Amino acid sequence: RKEVEQDPGPFNVPEGATVAFNCTYSNSASQSFFWYRQDCRKEPKLLMSVYSSGNEDGRFTAQLNRASQYISLLIRDSKLSDSATYLCVVNRGNFNKFYFGSGTKLNVKP
Amino acid sequence: DTAVSQTPKYLVTQMGNDKSIKCEQNLGHDTMYWYKQDSKKFLKIMFSYNNKELIINETVPNRFSPKSPDKAHLNLHINSLELGDSAVYFCASSQLAGGTDTQYFGPGTRLTVL
Repeated sequence: RKEVEQDPGPFNVPEGATVAFNCTYSNSASQSFFWYRQDCRKEPKLLMSVYSSGNEDGRFTAQLNRASQYISLLIRDSKLSDSATYLCVVNRGNFNKFYFGSGTKLNVKP
Repeated sequence: DTAVSQTPKYLVTQMGNDKSIKCEQNLGHDTMYWYKQDSKKFLKIMFSYNNKELIINETVPNRFSPKSPDKAHLNLHINSLELGDSAVYFCASSQLAGGTDTQYFGPGTRLTVL
């Protein structure tokens, strides 16, 4: 079983829509959680960290459910510029590896 | 100023050749990483160094040898290149070796083995 699993999509949504992605992780010892964004043929960049209590950054909201071992990302009022692949990332803590999901592709259409 | 830089950006070579990819970060970070992203876009860690010391060494063929001359540089040398080595290789850095820190990625090196 993969350490981190994501629906590859693509999610095709119109501008202004609200879209949500989920990600599940297999190891209950995972301690840190992140969403990264990767544009086509570019490097991954941190979108936001995910905190236990959930956190929001503008149009983006991240939630963590430790009991069910999943992380979610909600994007409100989608913009064309949100089109990218969203990578779920987990880490078990100090000197441990970051595990990346294979990404969920989002296409926002006019 | 580029935070994490890699050279070359593109590398096309024949099977059996030996090649190197260089990475430098000017963020003052202690930890650097090499990742491989294959055609299915799956990003997998290969190596990690903290203050020039190897701390993560994944199940990677020993044809791949990382070298960290100082904490700002992490190079990757690949011997006897194979078709399956074709991928995008990303270097990254973070302040800490722990899992709570943001990783900053370089632009990637697109390796094609013919």
